[in-house]
Amino acid sequence: NAGVMQNPRHLVRRRGQEARLRCSPMKGHSHVYWYRQLPEEGLKFMVYLQKENIIDESGMPKERFSAEFPKEGPSILRIQQVVRGDSAAYFCASSPPGRGYGYTFGSGTRLTVV
Amino acid sequence: SQQGEEDPQALSIQEGENATMNCSYKTSINNLQWYRQNSGRGLVHLILIRSNEREKHSGRLRVTLDTSKKSSSLLITASRAADTASYFCATEPSGNTGKLIFGQGTTLQVKP
Repeated sequence: NAGVMQNPRHLVRRRGQEARLRCSPMKGHSHVYWYRQLPEEGLKFMVYLQKENIIDESGMPKERFSAEFPKEGPSILRIQQVVRGDSAAYFCASSPPGRGYGYTFGSGTRLTVV
Repeated sequence: SQQGEEDPQALSIQEGENATMNCSYKTSINNLQWYRQNSGRGLVHLILIRSNEREKHSGRLRVTLDTSKKSSSLLITASRAADTASYFCATEPSGNTGKLIFGQGTTLQVKP
């Protein structure tokens, strides 16, 4: 029973390119969350998705960032026209349906914008 | 803005000693959770305490929750070098939010 799978582990993009981060939740988990972590800082919430629905995107920048969790396949966090300030670790977590469960985190994608 | 605030920011102890980390939060919650993060890795869920619980144990971990003070503490007893990591508290705000709000974390170093 694989955990939360994120890929790629490391991603280097030039300014202006697009970054696409993928997350496959644990089997049986239908809730996916994306967080961003800057060095020496905590995790900042970005977006919460269920299959085919965005539940809460209050932490997502209004421009250039988008997320989806299609009926089939992984969740995708997409960053268009990346800038240096987008460099960070992006973590995906999943949880079962229902309330009051801990998250299972992936190992993260470390995005570096050069 | 982040809800959880941990203190201390950094803690250094000798192996065998106990480590206590505190977390304060601002709004009413459904539950509070503690996570550990080793350098460069994802977070690992340690323990969840619900708003109607006051204390919970899991192995060498003891968590307390005081909803009147909006605070929690994590105690690691008989620490080991392998406990060296960053520890984060996270709160699930009341209501049907589903998301967790993380604090800034406490960096724990356990010296052998």
